[in-house]
Parts: sequence; C-alpha cells; structure tokens
Amino acid sequence: EDQVTQSPEALRLQEGESSSLNCSYTVSGLRGLFWYRQDPGKGPEFLFTLYSAGEEKEKERLKATLTKKESFLHITAPKPEDSATYLCAVHDSGGYQKVTFGTGTKLQVIP
Amino acid sequence: GAGVSQSPRYKVTKRGQDVALRCDPISGHVSLYWYRQALGQGPEFLTYFNYEAQQDKSGLPNDRFSAERPEGSISTLTIQRTEQRDSAMYRCASSPTSNTEAFFGQGTRLTVV
Repeated sequence: EDQVTQSPEALRLQEGESSSLNCSYTVSGLRGLFWYRQDPGKGPEFLFTLYSAGEEKEKERLKATLTKKESFLHITAPKPEDSATYLCAVHDSGGYQKVTFGTGTKLQVIP
Repeated sequence: GAGVSQSPRYKVTKRGQDVALRCDPISGHVSLYWYRQALGQGPEFLTYFNYEAQQDKSGLPNDRFSAERPEGSISTLTIQRTEQRDSAMYRCASSPTSNTEAFFGQGTRLTVV
C-alpha cells in the first residue's frame, strides 16, 4: 500500500529564515509526486508536479526536489503570507488512479 | 466555470437519511476525483472518474457510498443511510487529464446528527 509521510508536522520560522519540508514516500512505482498548499477553510491549491528522480521545480520562494524515496520543499526567505499547510501526494504507476496524500506540514512564518 | 464548484457548501442531515453531494468540475476537465478530509489531515481518496467512467473506486469506505458522472461532467457522490462517522469535509477535484495538477473545490461540510 502506498505511504506518504511528511515531516515535521509543524514548523515555525522567522520571516527570512529558510528551511525545508520533507515528504517520504513508498510506492510500487511513481507516476507523479504533487505538492499543494492549503489555507484554512479552503481546498488545496496546486504548487508542483515532479515525475522523476533528479527533477526540480521552482516558483517564487519555493523549490521542490525529488529523489527515489523522498521529496523536499525548500522555502527561501519566507514571508508571513507563506504560512499555510503544505501537502504532498503521490500517484502510483500501478493500474489504479488513486492519489495518496500525506498529513501535511503546518508552516507558520512570524514577522 | 471559473473553478470547481461544489454544492451544498454545508449539509446537516439526520442519521439514516441519504445525502447527495454535487460537483461541477472545470469545463473540459477529463479527470474528476472525490476525497474526504478530516480536520488536520490530508485528503483521503474516495474515487476517480475518467470522463463518465468510474475507473477507481478503491477508496469508497463501504457500499453505502456511491458516485456517478453520467455525462462526463457533473458528478454526484451519494451516501445512503448516513452515520455519524460519515461527518467530514467532502472535496471534489478535477484535472485536465490524470497525473496532472488537480483543482479543488471549496468542499461540502457534511454533519450527521
């Protein structure tokens, strides 16, 4: 069964203090790994898709990387508006279309 | 439409009643997912549609849950004989094809009393 583990569960940063969020996964074969941002009371908002080990994608202060067993979301010089829960999800290459989400990392950026 | 629309936003129902939750995906999106999300948790996969075909229903908890997408657009998730443990946020998402970014709706908050 696919497994996705995110760490830490919660992270508090000072504005400008860079850090990384981790997503470890177990799948029979990876079709895609997704990062989403979720604000309180809202649905998840898509950030990145990564398809193969070694791939990297960037958007503003965020950079996502992928290895065969984990993905990192690097946040450079975060701002208070980056505060949210960040969710990782995997799509297995098996015959099913199931997407498995982790429980998320709740990020708080303090001014 | 501009985004994924779900209705109702809130639903309170008595235990034992049937409920139908509606999802109107982004126009032209082939793939449609239903998820259930508990507070403080990530979305839990329920079922997936490719056009009108339900290609994966492995996440439906039991046979009281069913879903359809008869014309490949609007989808309905039906829960029969609701129980208190069914109380949760139910989210729908659509994407242009499978394995691409999904766009989520605002969700339906279901409360079974």
